[in-house]
Amino acid sequence: SQQGEEDPQALSIQEGENATMNCSYKTSINNLQWYRQNSGRGLVHLILIRSNEREKHSGRLRVTLDTSKKSSSLLITASRAADTASYFCATAPDFQKLVFGTGTRLLVSP
Amino acid sequence: GAVVSQHPSRVICKSGTSVKIECRSLDFQATTMFWYRQFPKKSLMLMATSNEGSKATYEQGVEKDKFLINHASLTLSTLTVTSAHPEDSSFYICSARKAGTSGSYSYNEQFFGPGTRLTVL
Repeated sequence: SQQGEEDPQALSIQEGENATMNCSYKTSINNLQWYRQNSGRGLVHLILIRSNEREKHSGRLRVTLDTSKKSSSLLITASRAADTASYFCATAPDFQKLVFGTGTRLLVSP
Repeated sequence: GAVVSQHPSRVICKSGTSVKIECRSLDFQATTMFWYRQFPKKSLMLMATSNEGSKATYEQGVEKDKFLINHASLTLSTLTVTSAHPEDSSFYICSARKAGTSGSYSYNEQFFGPGTRLTVL
């Protein structure tokens, strides 16, 4: 399977704390994307980082990419209860398919 | 914008019946759409790639006679689960690919629908 793995599988923190999720993948990529999914809902695109980029920011999100280690991390700073969701990384080995990681379930308690 | 809709959002059917799920790109044309399946607390698994005007490409292990895909126009793809059984119960999500160029910048993104919850009794 090409599916990547995310770690941790589940993360429980308090509001205001930072949340870090890691993603490892198996094949070479053109880009890596992070998505959020609220329970029973569709996916919301958060951020895309290209293979020639090492770090990218968007609001409270910070994504890093290390292609030599085939890994990426997503940092959510100053988390809020509304950030409670599942987070998935997805890699694009080519310009067609997306291969999703196993996901991290984040719970942010007030 | 890039909005993708799915209909229905939720369907309950009896075993043996067929169910059709629609995926529409509302404000852009999508030559390629994708169908995913998601089990509870699991990740999305790609089932098939749907190309407008041609046959869908199925991932290994996905029965093409079971999951019929039709991409009849640039804004609509349908997934029909034929002779559904309880093990077909799942969350089905589609996405539509928006690609092109803007000046020297090329883009290629997938936009996801809200999903369809299928329950087969």
